[in-house]
This record gives sequence, structure tokens and C-alpha cells, in this order.
Amino acid sequence: AQSVSQHNHHVILSEAASLELGCNYSYGGTVNLFWYVQYPGQHLQLLLKYFSGDPLVKGIKGFEAEFIKSKFSFNLRKPSVQWSDTAEYFCAVTDSGGYQKVTFGTGTKLQVIP
Amino acid sequence: GAVVSQHPSWVICKSGTSVKIECRSLDFQATTMFWYRQFPKQSLMLMATSNEGSKATYEQGVEKDKFLINHASLTLSTLTVTSAHPEDSSFYICSAVGGGAAEQFFGPGTRLTVL
Repeated sequence: AQSVSQHNHHVILSEAASLELGCNYSYGGTVNLFWYVQYPGQHLQLLLKYFSGDPLVKGIKGFEAEFIKSKFSFNLRKPSVQWSDTAEYFCAVTDSGGYQKVTFGTGTKLQVIP
Repeated sequence: GAVVSQHPSWVICKSGTSVKIECRSLDFQATTMFWYRQFPKQSLMLMATSNEGSKATYEQGVEKDKFLINHASLTLSTLTVTSAHPEDSSFYICSAVGGGAAEQFFGPGTRLTVL
């Protein structure tokens, strides 16, 4: 069975600080990887995704993530956060074999202080 | 991008009543829809997967007689919480896959409060 772990449950940063949120997954096969964001009171939005190809993926709003297969990791990064990045971030994985059941991590709450 | 809607966005009901939540794909045909439950400050937990025209597949621990799922068309899936109780209060989110895309598109969620 797939599992996803996010090590940081709550992160507090000042504006302009750099961000890295950890995500590790457990699955023996080929996977698709996602990062979703949930702003306060809003629904889940896709930040970025990795299916294949270049392991460094760029998403919306200046976010990027790097897939490191040997480490089963897909960490999310942003060089300079803004107050508007305050949200909850979820890492997720699906089996690329066609059954698109998504397994979510427990989420990381990011609080950016102006 | 693909749009998924849910109705209602918020519902309050008395204990023992049933509540129906609709999930619609507005601009694509959804071959598969998923229903999730999100408790406060927790992640999304998959409840069931529904494919148009067939019975839903429930995750372990989810009571299929309590959470009835119907995926009658390629644009609509419904989740009915039968005989709701306060412990069923939660945020229910649907997602849909279709239109050739490999990713899921999420609805805005429905907050259910059972008194």
C-alpha cells in the first residue's frame, strides 16, 4: 500500500525566507506525485505535479519540487515566501498504473509572518 | 482548467436524518469520482471510488450502507449520508478524473454539521 509522510506539521516563516517542505512516499512501483495547496476557507488547488521526465518540476506561484527517486522524496521549495502563501500544503501520490487512487500526506501548515 | 462543483457547500441537519451531497464535473466527463472526508486539522481520507454505471468501491472501515454513493452519469455523483449522527460531522470533498487527464480535480467541499 502507498503511504506519504510529511515531516513538518507546522512551519512559521518570515516573508522573504526560503521554504522547503519535506515529502517522502512509500510505494514499490511507478508513481505520480503532486503537491496541493489549501488556502484558508478554500478548496484544494494543484500546485504542481510530476509524472515523468525532468525531476525538477516548476509549478504555479513560484513553487518547485524535485523528485529524487533514490530517496523516495518529492520536496517542495520556494526561494522567497510571501504572506499570501499562508496555507496548508499536501503532498500526494497516485499509482501511475491507471487506478488513480490518491494517497495524501498529513499536510503541513505554513504560516508566513509579514 | 476542469471545474468540479459541489452542492450544498454547507449543511446542518438533525441527528437521524439523511443528507445528500452532489458532485458535478462542469466541463468534462468524469469517468471516475472520488469521495474524501477531511477532519479538522487532518488530511483527506479517501472514502470511496465511484465509476459511472457501476457500484462504488469503499475503503476499509467505511460503511457502505451509511455512505451511499451513486454515480448515475458522467457528470454527477452523489453521496448520501444516511441516518447522520454528530460523529459524521466533517468536511466532505469530491474529486473527478476524466477528459483524458491523469490528475484529479477537486470540488470545493461540503461542510456537514449534524446536531
